[in-house]
Amino acid sequence: KAGVTQTPRYLIKTRGQQVTLSCSPISGHRSVSWYQQTPGQGLQFLFEYFSETQRNKGNFPGRFSGRQFSNSRSEMNVSTLELGDSALYLCASSLFLAGDQETQYFGPGTRLLVL
Amino acid sequence: GENVEQHPSTLSVQEGDSAVIKCTYSDSASNYFPWYKQELGKGPQLIIDIRSNVGEKKDQRIAVTLNKTAKHFSLHITETQPEDSAVYFCAASPIEKLTFGTGTRLTIIP
Repeated sequence: KAGVTQTPRYLIKTRGQQVTLSCSPISGHRSVSWYQQTPGQGLQFLFEYFSETQRNKGNFPGRFSGRQFSNSRSEMNVSTLELGDSALYLCASSLFLAGDQETQYFGPGTRLLVL
Repeated sequence: GENVEQHPSTLSVQEGDSAVIKCTYSDSASNYFPWYKQELGKGPQLIIDIRSNVGEKKDQRIAVTLNKTAKHFSLHITETQPEDSAVYFCAASPIEKLTFGTGTRLTIIP
């Protein structure tokens, strides 16, 4: 079974631009979560989607947004990029069958560099 | 919200010896505790997880223990091998929202 895929793998943008990252979950997985990883702040939760609805949100500004499509694929968008947005953005998917915390499987990430 | 502390930040062990990484959490509602291994240029890979109704879980050379009363859990790797060198993260979660520790860089010395 194919794992979580993320595109693009690498991205260079300049301050003020906006960016869209894509995530395809493992087939059959319905929950998609996004995390930001930086050397200074570590792994931080951005948001989680299930059935096209955002269920949980981390402590990030409104410039960070996301959505999920009916096929469970997800995108996240960052508008008005700042230098501090340079990070590895990770997507994770899980089955979410019965309300208990399900195992999350991570993709390889998209490395974003903001100049 | 949840806060997870992880120690040590770096750990070097001789090949064949054991490695132990410890984490504490703050939210008593957390009921799921996974451990991830991250190699350079890759996303975190789940290596073992434990739920709050279990005190210990083992998978070959890897084991995790959980003490709910003290709110801490530990990863134990026995008979370490060079391929165990990586950064290890613990996490805790009451819902679909993992809070991660700051990571432990484990180096296995041949």
